[in-house]
Amino acid sequence: QKEVEQDPGPLSVPEGAIVSLNCTYSNSAFQYFMWYRQYSRKGPELLMYTYSSGNKEDGRFTAQVDKSSKYISLFIRDSQPSDSATYLCAMSKGGSYIPTFGRGTSLIVHP
Amino acid sequence: KAGVTQTPRYLIKTRGQQVTLSCSPISGHRSVSWYQQTPGQGLQFLFEYFSETQRNKGNFPGRFSGRQFSNSRSEMNVSTLELGDSALYLCASSEGPDSSGNTIYFGEGSWLTVV
Repeated sequence: QKEVEQDPGPLSVPEGAIVSLNCTYSNSAFQYFMWYRQYSRKGPELLMYTYSSGNKEDGRFTAQVDKSSKYISLFIRDSQPSDSATYLCAMSKGGSYIPTFGRGTSLIVHP
Repeated sequence: KAGVTQTPRYLIKTRGQQVTLSCSPISGHRSVSWYQQTPGQGLQFLFEYFSETQRNKGNFPGRFSGRQFSNSRSEMNVSTLELGDSALYLCASSEGPDSSGNTIYFGEGSWLTVV
């Protein structure tokens, strides 16, 4: 079993939909949780960063961490075609700069 | 503030050759890590440098090597290229262990094709 599991998709939604992207993990030592967005042929771009459990909101994006269930989510409200990309979850232990990445979920938002 | 800069962006090499990729981290960042990304394996960690010292290494053969200079800039080298080395090579920088954050920031990557 991989330390971080993420459904590769693709996930196809109509414009304006609420998107839910998820990752599960097995290592309870993870304390820092990140979401990256990667457009085709580009490097991953940091979207959200959360420490420990709880919610964090930034515009149309909300990140949720449930450490008791070892489950993290990224919600995108009012999705746009420009949100079409691969979303990678990542998590790391305290003091570590080597995040463990999920395989990424491909999101397609069609007009 | 400028982001992570990687050069070259695209390159084609022949099997058996070697390649050197370069990375300039975000100003003030002292930790640099390298990743290989392929469709089949996803993002795989290669190695991480801080203050010119390799602190962590992933599970890659010795053909993959790197170094960091005193100005935090880093290079990675792949010798005796194989077809399977074709991938996007990503450099990421972070502030370092004495910072309060734990995030890494990626460059645009170097696309390597081995023929």
